[in-house]
Amino acid sequence: DTAVSQTPKYLVTQMGNDKSIKCEQNLGHDTMYWYKQDSKKFLKIMFSYNNKELIINETVPNRFSPKSPDKAHLNLHINSLELGDSAVYFCASSQAASVVGEQFFGPGTRLTVL
Amino acid sequence: AQSVTQLGSHVSVSEGALVLLRCNYSSSVPPYLFWYVQYPNQGLQLLLKYTSAATLVKGINGFEAEFKKSETSFHLTKPSAHMSDAAEYFCAVTTGFQKLVFGTGTRLLVSP
Repeated sequence: DTAVSQTPKYLVTQMGNDKSIKCEQNLGHDTMYWYKQDSKKFLKIMFSYNNKELIINETVPNRFSPKSPDKAHLNLHINSLELGDSAVYFCASSQAASVVGEQFFGPGTRLTVL
Repeated sequence: AQSVTQLGSHVSVSEGALVLLRCNYSSSVPPYLFWYVQYPNQGLQLLLKYTSAATLVKGINGFEAEFKKSETSFHLTKPSAHMSDAAEYFCAVTTGFQKLVFGTGTRLLVSP
């Protein structure tokens, strides 16, 4: 029973393509996140949704568009992929944005842009 | 803005030796602090968290950390390293709405 799952695990694509990464959590959490981990292992938050509503939107290029069809899912769509988008993308979830608690991370999606 | 600094991108210890991973924070308000561990090709897993209760926090796998306001530190320790502790460790601080700000990570290497 995977708590936070992501698909695909690996994604290799050409520059200029559009791709999506899907995330699902079965923990009943209200809040979900997308993080980007670069080649130096630096982790930075990109977006956060609470009950399908966007609450954190960092300075991310507008080629990145998150979508939350329901509170158990948060997908990430990336348009016109660039070399610099190559990274590992992690989805995470937590009980509620207003409560300080543990964030549960998915296994990550390694995106390689050629 | 809140931030954390992890001193040492790599720390090497022998099996059975003390593990000490350093984290200093910067915050204008009382912080909430976390240590996460990342094993190779996996997501992050919470080791422990400080949320303004006891200053000495015990976590999983024998790790603990002490919040020291006077030193703005939240160092992670384990009395005796095990080979399975080899991983990347991240210190993090919240800025509200659970927005985690991570340090740059410390890779722990454990030799037999």
